[in-house]
Formats: sequence, C-alpha cells, structure tokens
Amino acid sequence: AQSVAQPEDQVNVAEGNPLTVKCTYSVSGNPYLFWYVQYPNRGLQFLLKYITGDNLVKGSYGFEAEFNKSQTSFHLKKPSALVSDSALYFCAVRDSLTGGFKTIFGAGTRLFVKA
Amino acid sequence: EAGVAQSPRYKIIEKRQSVAFWCNPISGHATLYWYQQILGQGPKLLIQFQNNGVVDDSQLPKDRFSAERLKGVDSTLKIQPAKLEDSAVYLCASSLVQSQAYGYTFGSGTRLTVV
Repeated sequence: AQSVAQPEDQVNVAEGNPLTVKCTYSVSGNPYLFWYVQYPNRGLQFLLKYITGDNLVKGSYGFEAEFNKSQTSFHLKKPSALVSDSALYFCAVRDSLTGGFKTIFGAGTRLFVKA
Repeated sequence: EAGVAQSPRYKIIEKRQSVAFWCNPISGHATLYWYQQILGQGPKLLIQFQNNGVVDDSQLPKDRFSAERLKGVDSTLKIQPAKLEDSAVYLCASSLVQSQAYGYTFGSGTRLTVV
C-alpha cells in the first residue's frame, strides 16, 4: 500500500534563508509525487509534481522539489524564503502499480517564515 | 477560469442531525473528488467520481455518508446522522482527466462543526 510521511510538524526559517520541507514515501510501483500548499481558510493549491524525467522539478512561487529514488524522498525547497510563504504544506503520492487514481496525502508541515 | 465552488463555507449542527454540502467543479473537469480533512491531519479521500459514476468510495462511511453527481457536473455530499467525529473540513477537488499524472484543483472547503 502507498504511504507518505512528513516527519516535521513545523519548520521555522528566517526570511531570505533557504527552506526545505521534507517528505518520504512508500509505493509498490513508480511514484507520482505532488506538493500542495494551504493558506488559512483556503483550499489546497497545487505547487508541483514529479511524474518522470528530471529529478529536480520546478513549480509555482519559486518552489522546487528534488526526487530521490534511493532515499524515497521528495523534499520541497526554495532558495530564499518569503514571509508570504508561511502556510501549511502537504506532500502527496500515487502508486503507479497499485494506487489507481487515489492520492494519499501526508499530515502536513506548517512553515513559519520570520521577517 | 473559475475555480471549484463549494457551499456553504461553514456549518454548525448538532449530533444526529443531517447536513449536505455542494460542489461545482471547474467546467469540463470530468473527475470530482470529496476529501475529509480533520484538524491536524492531511486530507483523506472519501469518494471519487468520473463523470456521474463512482470510481472509488472505499473510504466512505456508507452507513451515514452518501454522495451523488447525477448529471456529471456538480455534486452533493450528505451526512445523516452526523457524529461528533465528523467535525472536519470537507474539500471538493476536480481534475480534467482521470490520469495519475494530473494535480487537482481544490475548492475552499466547507468547515463542519458537530456539537
């Protein structure tokens, strides 16, 4: 069965510093990986996805994520954090072999960017 | 393009009462999902529709939850009778095609409080 873990409940970073939000996954086949962001009282917004190809994928608002097959990770990164990046971030995975079209979400990581 | 519309935004009911949520997906999106997001957790899929047919309802508590998408466009999710543990945000999402490679577009959600 597919699963996804976000080991950090909260990440704190100063504005202008690089940020990393961690995600690890478990699937039987090939993973399809996604990052979503949720601002207060808003629905989830799609940030980026990895399906195949280049391990570094670029998404919205300057975010990128690196797929690492050997470590089964898909960490979200941004070179320079903004206060406006403060939000709840969700990693999600689909299993190409057994998951059908079901997307499993992690529990979320709250990012605080301090001015 | 208009986003995924959901109503109401908030609902407070007493346990054992019934409640219904409405979702209108992005025009042309054939696939529609209902997710339940309990505070502090990631979204959990309740049901997935492809046009007006159910693709996956394996995690829908069918003794109290029901959902329909009669004309393959908007959808209604109902809870009857509600329990305290149903307090959550109910998110509707849609995607253009039923493909593992596509991200979803989420609505802002309906926050349900059962007292």
